[in-house]
Order: sequence, then structure tokens, then C-alpha cells
Amino acid sequence: NAGVTQTPKFRVLKTGQSMTLLCAQDMNHEYMYWYRQDPGMGLRLIHYSVGEGTTAKGEVPDGYNVSRLKKQNFLLGLESAAPSQTSVYFCASSYGLSGNIQYFGAGTRLSVL
Amino acid sequence: GDSVTQMEGPVTLSEEAFLTINCTYTATGYPSLFWYVQYPGEGLQLLLKATKADDKGSNKGFEATYRKETTSFHLEKGSVQVSDSAVYFCALSDRNTGTASKLTFGTGTRLQVTL
Repeated sequence: NAGVTQTPKFRVLKTGQSMTLLCAQDMNHEYMYWYRQDPGMGLRLIHYSVGEGTTAKGEVPDGYNVSRLKKQNFLLGLESAAPSQTSVYFCASSYGLSGNIQYFGAGTRLSVL
Repeated sequence: GDSVTQMEGPVTLSEEAFLTINCTYTATGYPSLFWYVQYPGEGLQLLLKATKADDKGSNKGFEATYRKETTSFHLEKGSVQVSDSAVYFCALSDRNTGTASKLTFGTGTRLQVTL
């Protein structure tokens, strides 16, 4: 019953460093999403994917890149981390079109110093 | 664009009290509506959903009714328990055909239930 698994759970970066967050789902979902959660702002969509090999920008894509080389994995990259990217990052997946339930991972807490 | 407004917290209640968390929305289309719950240290999980006007979603004693005329989806529970302490998010998903199920979230309402 793994569902959506995110790694790592915690990370501390220095400004300018790079890192990749990994999301893996075992539900054979077509759609995957990356959100960031900040105090008082709810969750905001960074990027999403509607299938293997596809990606699209969400509400707050600047400073992030993503890749979906395999259907079960969705990677979020920070090429040059900034303090403004300190946040909790959530990955989610769903079967697809509007109205379908999204299943979330447990989150990655990232601090950029 | 789409938006969701929910009451600010934190909301502190005694066990067995009645809970209401207000949620209103603005959408260009005809959205599906959701309540998600986030327990401490965990990701979000679906609590309930409604896909059309007058639908009532329910789960674990929580209920919410899709009110198109007032663009609202208020969450209610008749008798809260300490285990209900969590952050509750109202969300909508636009119904445009062919688009991914992108969710627009409210800011979340923290509920704390005390003995």
C-alpha cells in the first residue's frame, strides 16, 4: 500500500545549490503534480504532467524544472536554490480528468539558507 | 481565475462540539468541490467531494453540500473528536474537458479539539 512516495523527507540547502526531489507512485496514474505549501497560502501548483514524457507549467513554475521519463516517477529539480524556495513540497497523482481524486505523498520539507 | 476562500483559523473546540468551516468559491466553469484533510506530519488526503449542485459529500461524520446559488461548500460535523484535530483544505477542480485535474486550494483551516 505504498501509494505516493516522496524522497527525501527533509533537506537543507545553501543558496545556489541544486537538488532533485523524487516522487514515485504505484497506482498506474496518468497524471502527476507538484505543489508547494507555504503558511497562509494553501497549496500552489508548480508543474504537472498528463502522461509519460509530458510536463506543463502550473501557477508558480519559476525556478523549478520537472521530468517524467517513466510513468511512475515525477522529478522536481531546483537548479539554483533560493531562500524563497523554502517550503514544504507535495507530490500528488490522479487518474486524470477534472473531478478525479488526487492522492498525495507525505511531503518534503526543504530549507534554503 | 478560480479561487477558494475559507475561514481563517485556528478553530478551537471542545470534544463533542459542533463544527462548521466555511468555504466559498469563484469559478468560471462548473467545478467539482473537495475537502481535504492534513493530519500532523502527513500529506493531504481526501475527506469528501461533490461534483454537482445539491450533492452532499459525507465521510467519517463530516458533511458538505454543494450550493451553487451561494457558491459555497461548508464543512460540518455534529460532534468533533480529539482525533479530528488537523488542517482542513477546501478545493475545487475546474471541469474543462481535456484538462488535468488541477486543484485550486483555499488557505486551510486548522482545527484543534480539546478534551
